[in-house]
Amino acid sequence: QKEVEQNSGPLSVPEGAIASLNCTYSDRGSQSFFWYRQYSGKSPELIMSIYSNGDKEDGRFTAQLNKASQYVSLLIRDSQPSDSATYLCAVVTGGGNKLTFGTGTQLKVEL
Amino acid sequence: DARVTQTPRHKVTEMGQEVTMRCQPILGHNTVFWYRQTMMQGLELLAYFRNRAPLDDSGMPKDRFSAEMPDATLATLKIQPSEPRDSAVYFCASGDWTGYSYEQYFGPGTRLTVT
Repeated sequence: QKEVEQNSGPLSVPEGAIASLNCTYSDRGSQSFFWYRQYSGKSPELIMSIYSNGDKEDGRFTAQLNKASQYVSLLIRDSQPSDSATYLCAVVTGGGNKLTFGTGTQLKVEL
Repeated sequence: DARVTQTPRHKVTEMGQEVTMRCQPILGHNTVFWYRQTMMQGLELLAYFRNRAPLDDSGMPKDRFSAEMPDATLATLKIQPSEPRDSAVYFCASGDWTGYSYEQYFGPGTRLTVT
């Protein structure tokens, strides 16, 4: 089992819709979770961090964490074509500071 | 505008040559991470430093890779000798402690091609 798993996609949503990106992780001791956005040919960009169970909202983005289910998700409301990118889920694993990344979900927002 | 810088942005070299990549972290961040990204393996942690001291380099092939942080404004990753399988994008990330963990901010990367 991979430490951090994501569906590779592509996930296609129409402009204006809600995009839902999901991630599961295997280390029950993980306490810190991040979402990064990566445009093709660019570096990963931190968009959200979440540390407690529940929802955390920032603009059009909402991160959701359920530690009991070992599940973290990212919702993007009012999706725009500029949101088309690969979204990487990252989890601090091993009790230290090591960040383990999923392979990413490619999101396509269509006009 | 605080950001991580990396040089060179692109490097093409022949197998067997030495490659040195440089990273300048965000001022005030005391932790630096080195990653490698390939299509096959995704984003992998190679090594990281805190206060210039290496904390974990378990992801790095020891026989040819070395990482150092000679001062607080410079981290280096060296490959000697380079091999075609080292072709990848190498990212440096600068860490900001949040009280829970480090939020990592990535540089633009060095795209390495070894022929």
